[in-house]
Amino acid sequence: GAGVSQTPSNKVTEKGKYVELRCDPISGHTALYWYRQSLGQGPEFLIYFQGTGAADDSGLPNDRFFAVRPEGSVSTLKIQRTERGDSAVYLCASSQVGGGTDTQYFGPGTRLTVL
Amino acid sequence: GNSVTQMEGPVTLSEEAFLTINCTYTATGYPSLFWYVQYPGEGLQLLLKATKADDKGSNKGFEATYRKETTSFHLEKGSVQVSDSAVYFCAFMDTGRRALTFGSGTRLQVQP
Repeated sequence: GAGVSQTPSNKVTEKGKYVELRCDPISGHTALYWYRQSLGQGPEFLIYFQGTGAADDSGLPNDRFFAVRPEGSVSTLKIQRTERGDSAVYLCASSQVGGGTDTQYFGPGTRLTVL
Repeated sequence: GNSVTQMEGPVTLSEEAFLTINCTYTATGYPSLFWYVQYPGEGLQLLLKATKADDKGSNKGFEATYRKETTSFHLEKGSVQVSDSAVYFCAFMDTGRRALTFGSGTRLQVQP
């Protein structure tokens, strides 16, 4: 079956612009996660959704970042007033329920470059 | 705070050599432990996991044992292949949370 998909695969924007990154989880997965991976580093947690609600947003770095999942499936990560330091690969993952032993399946990521 | 420390790479080995990638963690509760792998041009994939002390996770010839007393989860493989060349990430999920905390990754290069 289809895995987690993310669009666009690459996004180049200018400092100060607004961007939206989209994630389509595996069908039937109720839990969805966003991570950010900077060059040479491991992924860093941003936010976790259980269904439509954000169950844990403790990883969002500041109020320029927010994410939605209005129907409990597709999610959009939104970044306002982008800064050069936001450049990274943004990863989305999903899991069946969100239990502690659930496997998180990762998408290919969106590479964001802020000029 | 919570963190994962894994050995820096790159690790370069000849085919059929023995592999160890060290990983230690600092966590407040009783975490579940994971190794993820990222092959060239591909996304992160779960390699193996262990959810309680003394558990051994294994997959594709790789093994790691959850050592609570040393807070470690070292990855081992008895005989590596060229196809094992990838970046390996150690990670944990703390009790009551769903966020994964990752190490910085170790690049493995296996030469024929």
